[in-house]
Amino acid sequence: DTEVTQTPKHLVMGMTNKKSLKCEQHMGHRAMYWYKQKAKKPPELMFVYSYEKLSINESVPSRFSPECPNSSLLNLHLHALQPEDSALYLCASSADQKHGYTFGSGTRLTVV
Amino acid sequence: AQSVSQHNHHVILSEAASLELGCNYSYGGTVNLFWYVQYPGQHLQLLLKYFSGDPLVKGIKGFEAEFIKSKFSFNLRKPSVQWSDTAEYFCAVMKNTGNQFYFGTGTSLTVIP
Repeated sequence: DTEVTQTPKHLVMGMTNKKSLKCEQHMGHRAMYWYKQKAKKPPELMFVYSYEKLSINESVPSRFSPECPNSSLLNLHLHALQPEDSALYLCASSADQKHGYTFGSGTRLTVV
Repeated sequence: AQSVSQHNHHVILSEAASLELGCNYSYGGTVNLFWYVQYPGQHLQLLLKYFSGDPLVKGIKGFEAEFIKSKFSFNLRKPSVQWSDTAEYFCAVMKNTGNQFYFGTGTSLTVIP
């Protein structure tokens, strides 16, 4: 298995909703990441998990809450989002510096 | 400030034209270099990568890139583009220590049939 699987692919949520994005990989990668990408812009790093521990939080608002239940799973819990949070949310994983990231196909989130 | 620069923001070419997209970085020390492509509505896919050895690396779909250490550059090339190469192209740098990517701002390539 050489993929990073993200669900759901599309999500529309209201500003008062609570939802979660899920990410799964079975490549044995011990680093996992959440990125946010706006149209025609580079991905912006949100969170880095290394060996299931949060190692980087790029000053992301608390309405985004990451969770790493085990070495294969990464969740992003969403609560009270704003319309400007609408974006493509990408999960990635990596084994080491030489191989770069494997990206998931993303969840396209629309906040209404 | 340390950064990854892609000076070509939008490139328009006719089919069969040659392509070169610039990428410069400003990090010291040993780095690993990558080019990713994102086709319309799709996720990021790895085109090619360099971490050591021959500075001219070949990737998928006929793309290649050359690492010039003295110029801190890793430019992407393709001798003859196709309409299907229309996409966003991102250069990325990963330091040899740590596991964080630094992305360039991206180049939007449009190939006209």
